[in-house]
Amino acid sequence: RKEVEQDPGPFNVPEGATVAFNCTYSNSASQSFFWYRQDCRKEPKLLMSVYSSGNEDGRFTAQLNRASQYISLLIRDSKLSDSATYLCVVNILSAIGGGGSNYKLTFGKGTLLTVNP
Amino acid sequence: GAGVSQSPRYKVAKRGQDVALRCDPISGHVSLFWYQQALGQGPEFLTYFQNEAQLDKSGLPSDRFFAERPEGSVSTLKIQRTQQEDSAVYLCASSLRTGTYEQYFGPGTRLTVT
Repeated sequence: RKEVEQDPGPFNVPEGATVAFNCTYSNSASQSFFWYRQDCRKEPKLLMSVYSSGNEDGRFTAQLNRASQYISLLIRDSKLSDSATYLCVVNILSAIGGGGSNYKLTFGKGTLLTVNP
Repeated sequence: GAGVSQSPRYKVAKRGQDVALRCDPISGHVSLFWYQQALGQGPEFLTYFQNEAQLDKSGLPSDRFFAERPEGSVSTLKIQRTQQEDSAVYLCASSLRTGTYEQYFGPGTRLTVT
């Protein structure tokens, strides 16, 4: 089982629609959670962090449920410019050699969103 | 301001050739990460540096992959005897410090092995 699993997509929605992305993670040692956005042939960019209390940034709302190891992203009133791949990302603290530890980003496969006019 | 830069942006190599991919992180960023992103997949962790020390190389797929950051700034990812399965985008990211700080990604190097 992959450590981070997302809706496979793709999602095709009309402008103005509300779209929800779901993600589950398997490692209970996960420390922090993010949604990244990746445009075609570009690098991933941080969209927003996800907190247990839920957080909102304009049209974007992220939720985290640690008990069920579930993360979500809601986009309201979608715009053409929202078209991209949305990556669910988990930051896991893992042991490395020499008694140290490292925070390691683990990405889901991504869900492609296309917003149509 | 200057972000993370990578070179070359595109590289075509014949199977069996060695390649070297360069990453210039954001100035002053302590942590540097390399990721491999295959087509249709999310990025996968390869290795991590804190300054010049390579603290985690658990994601390197084979001993043909080698990374260094000798002066704690620029990093090079070297792949020896390239194979077709090495074809992917190689992303470099840096962050100000270790921990849960945001990672800033470079544009990547798209490697195609023919």
